[in-house]
Amino acid sequence: NAGVTQTPKFQVLKTGQSMTLQCAQDMNHNSMYWYRQDPGMGLRLIYYSASEGTTDKGEVPNGYNVSRLNKREFSLRLESAAPSQTSVYFCASRVLWTGSYEQYFGPGTRLTVT
Amino acid sequence: QKEVEQDPGPLSVPEGAIVSLNCTYSNSAFQYFMWYRQYSRKGPELLMYTYSSGNKEDGRFTAQVDKSSKYISLFIRDSQPSDSATYLCAMISTNAGKSTFGDGTTLTVKP
Repeated sequence: NAGVTQTPKFQVLKTGQSMTLQCAQDMNHNSMYWYRQDPGMGLRLIYYSASEGTTDKGEVPNGYNVSRLNKREFSLRLESAAPSQTSVYFCASRVLWTGSYEQYFGPGTRLTVT
Repeated sequence: QKEVEQDPGPLSVPEGAIVSLNCTYSNSAFQYFMWYRQYSRKGPELLMYTYSSGNKEDGRFTAQVDKSSKYISLFIRDSQPSDSATYLCAMISTNAGKSTFGDGTTLTVKP
């Protein structure tokens, strides 16, 4: 099992450009999450999908859109990138049943917006 | 005010020291408490997981939860250079869709 995979690993964008970050999990998990991590600010939730067909805003959704393509895949789109979106982006997934709350994280995408 | 506050660090200790990492929280609905370890340039990985109040031990690591004080701790005994990482506390209420994370404490263990 590959666990949670993310592409790309690194990306440099110019202000105003768009891009999609891809995430896939092969653990048959129901829930998937997108976080950003900035120095000294921990993990901040952007969007999540509790189950296939649903998406909800997290703490910092402005400037982002998501698509839960199927049970395995959850993508994050930046329509018009801004320097404030320079960050490390992590995708995570977990099983959605009582008693199991562990999240499995991908390796991250390092995004720089100039 | 944040729901979860974590001691900010950074923390630097000599090898063999006992380390205490701490978080406080305000939401009394939190029932499950987790500690994640994140090595530099990697994603977080679950280290310890406890339900409600009490202690849980796993080798050199002990997780402690005091729900009456809304306070959780992670103790590392005989710390090693390989323990150098950022430690994130996380908590969640039963059946909630998402966890709430602390900001993380960066630990360096010097040989």
